Amino acid sequence: KNEVEQSPQNLTAQEGEFITINCSYSVGISALHWLQQHPGGGIVSLFMLSSGKKKHGRLIATINIQEKHSSLHITASHPRDSAVYICAVTVNTGNQFYFGTGTSLTVIP
Amino acid sequence: NAGVMQNPRHLVRRRGQEARLRCSPMKGHSHVYWYRQLPEEGLKFMVYLQKENIIDESGMPKERFSAEFPKEGPSILRIQQVVRGDSAAYFCASSKGTSHYEQYFGPGTRLTVT
Repeated sequence: KNEVEQSPQNLTAQEGEFITINCSYSVGISALHWLQQHPGGGIVSLFMLSSGKKKHGRLIATINIQEKHSSLHITASHPRDSAVYICAVTVNTGNQFYFGTGTSLTVIP
Repeated sequence: NAGVMQNPRHLVRRRGQEARLRCSPMKGHSHVYWYRQLPEEGLKFMVYLQKENIIDESGMPKERFSAEFPKEGPSILRIQQVVRGDSAAYFCASSKGTSHYEQYFGPGTRLTVT
């Protein structure tokens, strides 16, 4: 079993839809990260969370430490949001990063 | 302020050759992480280095792989005697401090072993 599980694996949405990607983890963490990997392969860090909620533009990330769960929301989705979204956690017992397998999002105009 | 730089962006090696991948961290960052992304798979942690020190190499294969981050110059990931299974995208990331700090990723090096 992976330390980090994401759902769904693939997601197709119409432009303008509200999108939610979920992440569950099974290890003790010091932080959770949401990353975006573009079709060309580059990786951008979107959020780093240890509690609560963060917002940046149309993106919102939340984390529930007790339930070991995080969600990434995209409001008013746009075709340029099409990418792979990756959840990763930093374990609190060391320096290890554990990654989810990613959610491939396609937003159709 | 330049971001994390990796070179080369694409590298083709024949089986048995050596591959050297370079990573220059962001200015002011003294911590470097290397990750590997095999085709159709997720990212996997390989090694975490500070200047002149390997802090955690628990994700690195025991043989043929080594990493360094010298006092001067970029971090180097070295793969000796490459095999086809080494074909992957190798990403490095840098941060100001420990894993509690945000990491900034480079564009990756895509290694193809023929």
